[in-house]
Amino acid sequence: AQSVAQPEDQVNVAEGNPLTVKCTYSVSGNPYLFWYVQYPNRGLQFLLKYITGDNLVKGSYGFEAEFNKSQTSFHLKKPSALVSDSALYFCAVRGYTGGFKTIFGAGTRLFVKA
Amino acid sequence: DADVTQTPRNRITKTGKRIMLECSQTKGHDRMYWYRQDPGLGLRLIYYSFDVKDINKGEISDGYSVSRQAQAKFSLSLESAIPNQTALYFCATSDLTSGNEQFFGPGTRLTVL
Repeated sequence: AQSVAQPEDQVNVAEGNPLTVKCTYSVSGNPYLFWYVQYPNRGLQFLLKYITGDNLVKGSYGFEAEFNKSQTSFHLKKPSALVSDSALYFCAVRGYTGGFKTIFGAGTRLFVKA
Repeated sequence: DADVTQTPRNRITKTGKRIMLECSQTKGHDRMYWYRQDPGLGLRLIYYSFDVKDINKGEISDGYSVSRQAQAKFSLSLESAIPNQTALYFCATSDLTSGNEQFFGPGTRLTVL
């Protein structure tokens, strides 16, 4: 069965510092991996995805994520955090042989302090 | 995303009432989804549809039904609402050419008293 784990409910970081939001997954076959962001009173917005190719994926707003097959991880990173990055972040996985359903993690709330 | 709209945005109702949440999209996508969001649980899939004639149950379909009236419209019904259906509900769309990522509506906050 497919699953996604976001081990941290909350991540706190100072503005200007690098940030990492962690995600690990379990899926049969090759995974499709996604990161979404949710701002208050808004729907989820797509940030980036990994399907194949380079393990380092770049996305919107300066975010990037690294696919690590051996560790089954897809951590979200940004070199320099902004206060405006404060939001709820969701990792999601869709298994290549797992049908067409995408499974979302529980979410990690990111607080960036000025 | 303005391309995916949901109505109503907020709704308060009583136990036992029938409720319909509506979703419309102008993205031309074939696939549409209904999720509910609960704090600490992330998003859970209720129903999904790959085209007008295709409806599939998700992981938490009990107590819900859906109708795909057209490619652009996908409605979610609670036949007899109960308090534990209080949640934030999201509609989403996708298609193969969009790279499998989903595009979400703004959500409907439903409270069942």
